[in-house]
Amino acid sequence: ETGVTQTPRHLVMGMTNKKSLKCEQHLGHNAMYWYKQSAKKPLELMFVYSLEERVENNSVPSRFSPECPNSSHLFLHLHTLQPEDSALYLCASSQLGNYEQYFGPGTRLTVT
Amino acid sequence: QKEVEQNSGPLSVPEGAIASLNCTYSDRGSQSFFWYRQYSGKSPELIMSIYSNGDKEDGRFTAQLNKASQYVSLLIRDSQPSDSATYLCAVTRPGYSTLTFGKGTMLLVSP
Repeated sequence: ETGVTQTPRHLVMGMTNKKSLKCEQHLGHNAMYWYKQSAKKPLELMFVYSLEERVENNSVPSRFSPECPNSSHLFLHLHTLQPEDSALYLCASSQLGNYEQYFGPGTRLTVT
Repeated sequence: QKEVEQNSGPLSVPEGAIASLNCTYSDRGSQSFFWYRQYSGKSPELIMSIYSNGDKEDGRFTAQLNKASQYVSLLIRDSQPSDSATYLCAVTRPGYSTLTFGKGTMLLVSP
């Protein structure tokens, strides 16, 4: 595996389900990010992890819960989502002090 | 005022022409600027970064930065149909640990 990988690539879940998105980076970076991309809107930063500590949380609802067990892995745990949460969820990584971010392929989430 | 503004397009150019994509930003303290390309249904891909005033060239791509005017642009020479995508401008802002993205400009290159 190279670059940034994400699983699953597609996910359909009901509003009462619990699921997790997984991201893994193979670039030796030490910062990781979750973004949400909805149609007609800019990329929305959700969470930033630097050296495995959460350093930014952009007022994201508590139904989204991130986890960063080490510098290579990032999870986004989902529960009791709303239909408006349907979007492309993107993971990215970078090296601290370098703003160049590299994105994974994303997870297309549909909440029914 | 939005932090990073881009014309949503679509910008239509014929094959072989120069495509010019523009971006303005509101924070005078911004220091680093990036262009990402995003194909439909795919994730953003970093194609250019620029940090100082002037031009930076990489193959068919040229990034131009004017900090006094708070303006950054991307020129694509000899445009190809494969360049058809949405181009995202991203900037750093003081006090923020990550990038701020614009909504992107859709580019359509017709054969």
